[in-house]
Amino acid sequence: DIQMTQSPSSVSASVGDRVTITCRASQHIRTWLAWYQQKPGKAPKLLIYAASSLRSGVPSRFSGSGSGTDFTLTISSLQPEDFATYFCQQANSFPYTFGQGTKLEIK
Amino acid sequence: EVQLLESGGGLVQPGGSLRLSCVASGFPFSSYAMSWVRQAPGKGLEWVSAITGSGGSTYYADSVKGRFTISRDDSKNTLYLQMNRLRAEDTAVYYCAKDPTWYSSSWYLDYWGQGTLVTVSS
Repeated sequence: DIQMTQSPSSVSASVGDRVTITCRASQHIRTWLAWYQQKPGKAPKLLIYAASSLRSGVPSRFSGSGSGTDFTLTISSLQPEDFATYFCQQANSFPYTFGQGTKLEIK
Repeated sequence: EVQLLESGGGLVQPGGSLRLSCVASGFPFSSYAMSWVRQAPGKGLEWVSAITGSGGSTYYADSVKGRFTISRDDSKNTLYLQMNRLRAEDTAVYYCAKDPTWYSSSWYLDYWGQGTLVTVSS
């Protein structure tokens, strides 16, 4: 199975800050990577797919990059509604594994 | 509007069975691959099983292979997960989720249900 490792596991930031979350795959996955946002008690929401494609309706402050084994999710200017947990997911091969999550908290 | 509504969760004893259902609306259900993803309390996400739009191919995580069966009834716009020989470690919220790719499979998940809680305990 492909292991997905996110860092950091948690991060504290303020409104307006720029935040970057990293996801590393244990094998090359080309650009078969998605990012999801999850708020407490809610289902995850797709933000980014194919490593860098922004899902329609997702604010442009979210961006993704990377290929192969190393990927990043960047939020350019944090808004209050962005405080949540973020997960990466590889879609290169079954089983389609997720990272362990990064909790973004208010400083 | 795309909607996915899961049901069938509950409390079950170890070794027991449950069948989860996910009723879909707002899109041509038969044309899309579907998946089940679970989340143990306070934990991360785990992909459990997936099925192609045709229903011709199914996939399972090793942790559930041989115990769980995914299926779909396109006439009822419904996805199922039959769970047998349940274990304590199967306790989780189970989400059904839709693939965004029409008539193919990218295995991203663009819409999710609200989830149904399965608790395996004596």
